[in-house]
Amino acid sequence: AQTVTQSQPEMSVQEAETVTLSCTYDTSESDYYLFWYKQPPSRQMILVIRQEAYKQQNATENRFSVNFQKAAKSFSLKISDSQLGDAAMYFCAYRRVMYSGGGADGLTFGKGTHLIIQP
Amino acid sequence: GAGVSQSPSNKVTEKGKDVELRCDPISGHTALYWYRQSLGQGLEFLIYFQGNSAPDKSGLPSDRFSAERTGGSVSTLTIQRTQQEDSAVYLCASSLKTGGGEQYFGPGTRLTVT
Repeated sequence: AQTVTQSQPEMSVQEAETVTLSCTYDTSESDYYLFWYKQPPSRQMILVIRQEAYKQQNATENRFSVNFQKAAKSFSLKISDSQLGDAAMYFCAYRRVMYSGGGADGLTFGKGTHLIIQP
Repeated sequence: GAGVSQSPSNKVTEKGKDVELRCDPISGHTALYWYRQSLGQGLEFLIYFQGNSAPDKSGLPSDRFSAERTGGSVSTLTIQRTQQEDSAVYLCASSLKTGGGEQYFGPGTRLTVT
């Protein structure tokens, strides 16, 4: 079974600074997807960024970027120029690649990191 | 367009009662997922529907939990004889396809069993 570990229950950063959230995972699969989701107090899970395991290039979405180390099974999220609106729970998630006739397609989540932005 | 909607937003029920939670996926999305988010267990995958195929129920925590999806669209998660440990936020998500398709989440239903 796949597992996802987020070792930082809480992180704090000054507004406009850069913060990195850690995530490691364990899988025997070679093809999979990794995600970072953001969950503000409204409970709505919002996709921040996605990485396909077969791609060596790290994904980037505006101020958000990842450092994907496949051999080390590490997938950290870097948030640059932190803004007050970035304050939320951040979840790292794993999903295996589905092929025709495959089984369940659900996400496996880490426990989350609570990100606090100091004004 | 409209996102994933869930109802009710909050539900308080007495131990032993049955509850039904509803999910309306994004129109045209063939895949639908239920997750449970609780303080003790974090986010857990419960069940997955793909179109009109039989669901994969392997994530359901007990036989008190069941789900159905009518017409390949709306889904209902039913919990029978609720227990206090069922208290959690139940999240629904849908995606356009399986594989790498992004899952879009609803706002969740907070269930409290007293």
